[in-house]
Amino acid sequence: GQNIDQPTEMTATEGAIVQINCTYQTSGFNGLFWYQQHAGEAPTFLSYNVLDGLEEKGRFSSFLSRSKGYSYLLLKELQMKDSASYLCAVTDSNYQLIWGAGTKLIIKP
Amino acid sequence: DGGITQSPKYLFRKEGQNVTLSCEQNLNHDAMYWYRQDPGQGLRLIYYSQIVNDFQKGDIAEGYSVSREKKESFPLTVTSAQKNPTAFYLCASTGGREVSQPQHFGDGTRLSIL
Repeated sequence: GQNIDQPTEMTATEGAIVQINCTYQTSGFNGLFWYQQHAGEAPTFLSYNVLDGLEEKGRFSSFLSRSKGYSYLLLKELQMKDSASYLCAVTDSNYQLIWGAGTKLIIKP
Repeated sequence: DGGITQSPKYLFRKEGQNVTLSCEQNLNHDAMYWYRQDPGQGLRLIYYSQIVNDFQKGDIAEGYSVSREKKESFPLTVTSAQKNPTAFYLCASTGGREVSQPQHFGDGTRLSIL
């Protein structure tokens, strides 16, 4: 079966750095997305990786290793508004999006 | 501003009742999707449509129905056959056929049982 694993919850301190991991086992791979979702709101797109390596976008970076079936989202200079759930999603060989359950990130002052 | 509008934000269903969730987009996107989100679970695909007058079942289509008569609109009906409809429902759309195109989401409808 297809599976995406993320930690359920993480806690970090304002101003610090946090890394949210995502591992996947899917039938084929056509890219990996990261989304941010505040409670009760719509998910919003953060990043897309299809090649190995690090993609940097301001305070957020996303890394992919296809051989390891592994990605992480790195958030720097954490702000209180970064408190949200972070969703990892993989496009499989049939171009269907498979979603992880999300990681709830709690930022403490 | 272009976007996806879902309505209502909150909806209550009585036993044996069908209810319809609205999804409208003005992004000129061809593909539209309906997801169900339950606590502690990933988004699960209910139905999707790549083009007007055509739609496909997702992983959990039983108890749901859709139509796609217009490009802008993709309403979802939760029928009385869906025995556990309480969830957060999200509508999304995608422009272009490139696999790198992200999905854009509406603000969701929270459905509860009375």
